[in-house]
Amino acid sequence: EIVLTQSPGTLSSSPGERATLSCRASQRINNYIAWYQQKPGRAPRLLIYDASSRASVIPDRFSGSGSGTDFTLTISRLEPEDFAVYYCQQYGSSPLTFGGGTKVDIK
Amino acid sequence: QLQLQESGPRLARPSETLSLTCDVSGGSISSSDYYWGWIRQSPGNRPEWIGSIFYSGTTHYNPALRSRATISVDTSKSQFFLKLKSVTAADTAVYYCARQTFRWLVPRYIGSWGQGTLVTVSA
Repeated sequence: EIVLTQSPGTLSSSPGERATLSCRASQRINNYIAWYQQKPGRAPRLLIYDASSRASVIPDRFSGSGSGTDFTLTISRLEPEDFAVYYCQQYGSSPLTFGGGTKVDIK
Repeated sequence: QLQLQESGPRLARPSETLSLTCDVSGGSISSSDYYWGWIRQSPGNRPEWIGSIFYSGTTHYNPALRSRATISVDTSKSQFFLKLKSVTAADTAVYYCARQTFRWLVPRYIGSWGQGTLVTVSA
């Protein structure tokens, strides 16, 4: 099973700042990584797939990069609605697995 | 617009079988472009993929749950189902149904999620 490790666990930032979230895989997974945003009491929402492709209606302040084992989600300028928990998920190998999440909260 | 709605008992007794239904509307469950999956998330934890099914009945399961989970589909009713047997308190979670893309017949990322339903396992 591929283990995904996300860092940091919590990122304290202010609106307008840039946020950089990391996801590291225990094995190479090409670019088979997705990123999700989850708010309290809500289902996750797909942001990025195939490491760098934005899902429909996702603002362009969200971008993804990386390949192999190291991946990054960048939020260029944090908006108030972006404070949430972010998960990465790999589909390079079964079973599908998720990272432990990064909480982006308001400083 | 695709809608996924989970339904089923909110409480399950230890050692019994948890049964959930997902109603699919606004899209065809018989589409050859998607898998239909179940994902759960226990409070404060990361999501966990349970398994996925194609409209033809082909299934993929998480090995950690394969011995207890059964996913099935009824295309005539636009529904798919989860049964999880021999539940314990560790199975208490929000259960989501979802639509997934696939490649080479293997499920990939999750493009659409249901709202989720909390199932508590308790005597």
